[in-house]
Amino acid sequence: KQEVTQIPAALSVPEGENLVLNCSFTDSAIYNLQWFRQDPGKGLTSLLLIQSSQREQTSGRLNASLDKSSGRSTLYIAASQPGDSATYLCALEGTGGFKTIFGAGTRLFVKA
Amino acid sequence: NAGVTQTPKFQVLKTGQSMTLQCAQDMNHNSMYWYRQDPGMGLRLIYYSASEGTTDKGEVPNGYNVSRLNKREFSLRLESAAPSQTSVYFCASGTAFGYTFGSGTRLTVV
Repeated sequence: KQEVTQIPAALSVPEGENLVLNCSFTDSAIYNLQWFRQDPGKGLTSLLLIQSSQREQTSGRLNASLDKSSGRSTLYIAASQPGDSATYLCALEGTGGFKTIFGAGTRLFVKA
Repeated sequence: NAGVTQTPKFQVLKTGQSMTLQCAQDMNHNSMYWYRQDPGMGLRLIYYSASEGTTDKGEVPNGYNVSRLNKREFSLRLESAAPSQTSVYFCASGTAFGYTFGSGTRLTVV
């Protein structure tokens, strides 16, 4: 059974710092991995999606990497801003399709 | 605006009451999903529909039923609500290139 773990559960950093959020998984047979952002009381907003055949994706200050052999994905946020404060979740879709498994998320707080 | 629309946004039920959560998407996606989100547990899949006319159980289907009314609409029904079903419910639709989520329904069962 696929298990997805995100460490740390919460993170507080000063504005301007570069940071890395981690997502680990137990079964490397994945179809894709997606990173989401969730603001308090809101739905999820897709940030980046990495297909199984890809190693990384970039969007603005965000870079997501995928290493299936080690069962890890990282989300790198450059020059963090207070507006980046949110919960970040990773989600994996297995090769069986249609059943995406979510991590519990990392709650990020960027201090001004 | 294109996206996933959920109604209602908030609901309080008494134990034993029934209700239906509505979800509609206008992105022409075949696949639609219902998740629940509980503190510290991430999102867990309740039911999904790979295409119009088909539905399948997810990780936590007990106490729920679903209907894929047409390609746009996928509803979730609680026949006899229990306090354990207090949660935030999210509908999503998607393709192999990612998911789009609704804004959620915050349900409290007292």
